Amino acid sequence: NAGVTQTPKFRILKIGQSMTLQCTQDMNHNYMYWYRQDPGMGLKLIYYSVGAGITDKGEVPNGYNVSRSTTEDFPLRLELAAPSQTSVYFCASTQEETQYFGPGTRLLVL
Amino acid sequence: RKEVEQDPGPFNVPEGATVAFNCTYSNSASQSFFWYRQDCRKEPKLLMSVYSSGNEDGRFTAQLNRASQYISLLIRDSKLSDSATYLCVVNPPGSARQLTFGSGTQLTVLP
Repeated sequence: NAGVTQTPKFRILKIGQSMTLQCTQDMNHNYMYWYRQDPGMGLKLIYYSVGAGITDKGEVPNGYNVSRSTTEDFPLRLELAAPSQTSVYFCASTQEETQYFGPGTRLLVL
Repeated sequence: RKEVEQDPGPFNVPEGATVAFNCTYSNSASQSFFWYRQDCRKEPKLLMSVYSSGNEDGRFTAQLNRASQYISLLIRDSKLSDSATYLCVVNPPGSARQLTFGSGTQLTVLP
């Protein structure tokens, strides 16, 4: 099992550009999450999903969108990148209590 | 008040030392409690769950005090490889098995 995989590992965006952060898990978990982590801060929940076709907002959803068409994939979309979205983005999945994280995507918006 | 509060450190300790981290949480109805470990520029990984009766995993001991809404992690005989950020994590009541993360306590074990 690869677990949770994320692409890309690193990306530089210009203000106003858009991009999709990819997340895939091969553990057949129903629950998936997107977090952002700013330097010296805890993880903040952006969006989550309890199963295919179901998504909901977390603590900091503004500027982001998600979709969950399959159990495996949970992409995060940034439509109009802003410098405030510079962060490290982690995707995670769980079936019970333990959340398993992907390696993260480092995003820099200039 | 933050939902989960931790002393950010940094804690710099010599090899072999015992070090303790503390954490408080604001929601008294929280159900589950964890310590995650995050290495520099890596993803968080579960270190251990925290049970009401306290629990131990090798050199690591976790304790929970529901009355005081307080969680602790004790590391005995520190190793260089213990250097990391330790995240206190709480599962608040509600839906979707969401977790609330503290900002983390940074530990450096010195040779």
